[in-house]
Amino acid sequence: GDSVTQMEGPVTLSEEAFLTINCTYTATGYPSLFWYVQYPGEGLQLLLKATKADDKGSNKGFEATYRKETTSFHLEKGSVQVSDSAVYFCALALLQGAQKLVFGQGTRLTINP
Amino acid sequence: SQTIHQWPATLVQPVGSPLSLECTVEGTSNPNLYWYRQAAGRGLQLLFYSVGIGQISSEVPQNLSASRPQDRQFILSSKKLLLSDSGFYLCGLRPDNTEAFFGQGTRLTVV
Repeated sequence: GDSVTQMEGPVTLSEEAFLTINCTYTATGYPSLFWYVQYPGEGLQLLLKATKADDKGSNKGFEATYRKETTSFHLEKGSVQVSDSAVYFCALALLQGAQKLVFGQGTRLTINP
Repeated sequence: SQTIHQWPATLVQPVGSPLSLECTVEGTSNPNLYWYRQAAGRGLQLLFYSVGIGQISSEVPQNLSASRPQDRQFILSSKKLLLSDSGFYLCGLRPDNTEAFFGQGTRLTVV
């Protein structure tokens, strides 16, 4: 079935460090890919998305490129801030059927000043 | 733009009591609606989804149920809560071939 595998956390970095959170997927069709962020005590917010191969999603300094050949959608940021501390979820959605979103298990990120 | 109203924000219920969580959406019609649960320290698990009024699909066996009495209303229920039902419940909608939007969530603690 369709699934998403994320890099296991927790991840702890110092401010201004480079961030990569790995995400790979398995899908029967051609999914759209998403990164969501969950700040403490809040719901999920869309961070960025990509709907076809080689698309790059970007927002708030974060980037992820849809790599069909490696079935990956890794999240990167060049210089993290304390305010980036949150849980990050990679997700996929297929266009057919009920268009369910399938989420990875989430990666907790903590940035220390 | 779409908005999702989910309530209550927090809830503490005794084991064996009933549950009703409500989610209403605005700014869209005939959306796909979803209920997810996030157990403590774990990822998001899809519980139910609905593609239209009265149409509910269950992803996992459990003592929870869902209903969609109106196009923009999605309700999660239980007749008797278990301790294992504790978690963070999120209502989501996907209006078309776009990203999903989520409510602020309900933190349920069963004691």
